[in-house]
Amino acid sequence: EAQVTQNPRYLITVTGKKLTVTCSQNMNHEYMSWYRQDPGLGLRQIYYSMNVEVTDKGDVPEGYKVSRKEKRNFPLILESPSPNQTSLYFCASSPTGTGISYEQYFGPGTRLTVT
Amino acid sequence: QKEVEQNSGPLSVPEGAIASLNCTYSDRGSQSFFWYRQYSGKSPELIMFIYSNGDKEDGRFTAQLNKASQYVSLLIRDSQPSDSATYLCAVNDRGSTLGRLYFGRGTQLTVWP
Repeated sequence: EAQVTQNPRYLITVTGKKLTVTCSQNMNHEYMSWYRQDPGLGLRQIYYSMNVEVTDKGDVPEGYKVSRKEKRNFPLILESPSPNQTSLYFCASSPTGTGISYEQYFGPGTRLTVT
Repeated sequence: QKEVEQNSGPLSVPEGAIASLNCTYSDRGSQSFFWYRQYSGKSPELIMFIYSNGDKEDGRFTAQLNKASQYVSLLIRDSQPSDSATYLCAVNDRGSTLGRLYFGRGTQLTVWP
């Protein structure tokens, strides 16, 4: 089944404890992206990647790191989480790169709480 | 900072009516425009994209783009209760591929029977 998977789905952690949220897609998509969603603020892009080893900042990159060593994986790293990073996080992928294709496939979301 | 503004809503329409959702954007260089639907507790899903001035129709949905006035709208004809969701407008800074995306805060639509 074609899908974007995220792990974990739910996480409660403490300030300063490094964590990684994994994202994996099995559709051979070039484009991948991370978003956070907060009540009343819509979706905000954190980082995106046009292809392997190519990443760019989105709207709110501060406090986050990403890497794209393989096409299928795009982990989101919080080196020192803070309470203001409590949010719902979505990973998405798109076949962009094979012509005009704008369909983004979203993962199920990761709800992160930092205390 | 590029801005994407949407009516905050909530918007409430009766079943069978036309729902009209509006979005304005600040960057004249924006290339392509998207409408996503997000049901409560679910992930967003793309319902329409448009990159040329004018109208684009897909079933009961019509996207309208006016680059001179910097707005894009979504019309939902014959609205159904299943259309009740939050609708997100997004703007892309590239024309032929996805790149950096800017989202509005969303408009919550309720269609009542």
